[in-house]
Amino acid sequence: GAGVSQSPSNKVTEKGKDVELRCDPISGHTALYWYRQSLGQGLEFLIYFQGNSAPDKSGLPSDRFSAERTGGSVSTLTIQRTQQEDSAVYLCASSPRTGRQETQYFGPGTRLLVL
Amino acid sequence: GENVEQHPSTLSVQEGDSAVIKCTYSDSASNYFPWYKQELGKRPQLIIDIRSNVGEKKDQRIAVTLNKTAKHFSLHITETQPEDSAVYFCAASRSSASKIIFGSGTRLSIRP
Repeated sequence: GAGVSQSPSNKVTEKGKDVELRCDPISGHTALYWYRQSLGQGLEFLIYFQGNSAPDKSGLPSDRFSAERTGGSVSTLTIQRTQQEDSAVYLCASSPRTGRQETQYFGPGTRLLVL
Repeated sequence: GENVEQHPSTLSVQEGDSAVIKCTYSDSASNYFPWYKQELGKRPQLIIDIRSNVGEKKDQRIAVTLNKTAKHFSLHITETQPEDSAVYFCAASRSSASKIIFGSGTRLSIRP
């Protein structure tokens, strides 16, 4: 079946502009995660959703970052007033459910470049 | 807060030799330890995982060991092949929370 998809695959924006990144999880997966990966670096946890609620927002770097999930499916990560340090690959992952630590399946990522 | 340390950051081995990557974790309540492989420009993919109720798990050329007392776990790849070249990430989490903490990654290169 279809895997996790993300759009756009690449985004170039100017400093100060807002951007929206979209994630479509695997159908039926109730848990959804956002990570950030800077060039040559590891995976930085941002936020996760169980259904439409976000029990853990501790990884969001600043109040310029927000995320929402509607209908227990698609999620949008919004970055307001982008800064150059926001440039990174933003990865989304989904898993069937939490609690039993089911495998996380990653999307291809959105490569964001802030000029 | 929770932390996962991973060593080495880079590793180069001769094709056919073994590779070992080690990780330590700080949260003693962690009970799930996945390993991900990320090839250049691609998404991370799970290659093996282990839960705290076992000390070792093997899948063909890949094995993972866990020492809960010492809070460390390791990935072992035997008979390495060129396609094993990638960045490998360890991670740790607890079943009561979904947050998975990743190590900083190991870039593995296989020399022909």
